[in-house]
Amino acid sequence: AQTVTQSQPEMSVQEAETVTLSCTYDTSESDYYLFWYKQPPSRQMILVIRQEAYKQQNATENRFSVNFQKAAKSFSLKISDSQLGDAAMYFCAYRSSGRQGGSEKLVFGKGTKLTVNP
Amino acid sequence: EPEVTQTPSHQVTQMGQEVILRCVPISNHLYFYWYRQILGQKVEFLVSFYNNEISEKSEIFDDQFSVERPDGSNFTLKIRSTKLEDSAMYFCASSADRYYNEQFFGPGTRLTVL
Repeated sequence: AQTVTQSQPEMSVQEAETVTLSCTYDTSESDYYLFWYKQPPSRQMILVIRQEAYKQQNATENRFSVNFQKAAKSFSLKISDSQLGDAAMYFCAYRSSGRQGGSEKLVFGKGTKLTVNP
Repeated sequence: EPEVTQTPSHQVTQMGQEVILRCVPISNHLYFYWYRQILGQKVEFLVSFYNNEISEKSEIFDDQFSVERPDGSNFTLKIRSTKLEDSAMYFCASSADRYYNEQFFGPGTRLTVL
């Protein structure tokens, strides 16, 4: 079974600075997707960024980028130029690609609470 | 922008009572999911639903749970006889396909069992 671990229960960053959230995962599959979801106080889970395991290039979405290390099974999220609106819980998640069968469910880490200080 | 909605936002019930949590998925989505998050713990998968039947369920999803798509828009989760340990945030999600596209989440229903 797949597992996702987020070792940082809480992180804080100064506005305009950069912060990196860590995530490691365990799987025997070779083809899968990895995601970072953001959950602000409004509770709506919002997809921040997604990485396809067969792609070597790290995904980037504006101020958000990932460092995907497939051999190390590591998937960290970097937030550049942090803004007050970035304050939220961030969840790392794993899902099979389906190309080799596998479950369609998302497997989540426990989350990292990010505080942005003005 | 289309979104998944859930009602109610907070439900308080007595142990042993039945509850129904409601979700309206995004209209052109075909795959539906329920997840739950007990306070301080991971978001956990409960069940996936496609073509009017369960496609996958977790060991949490026992006989006390059921899901239904009673009409073309709603997707419900029923807990027949609630237990204290059912207290959690329940999230509904929907997706246009099984694997490739993202699962869009609703805001959640907080269930409190007294």
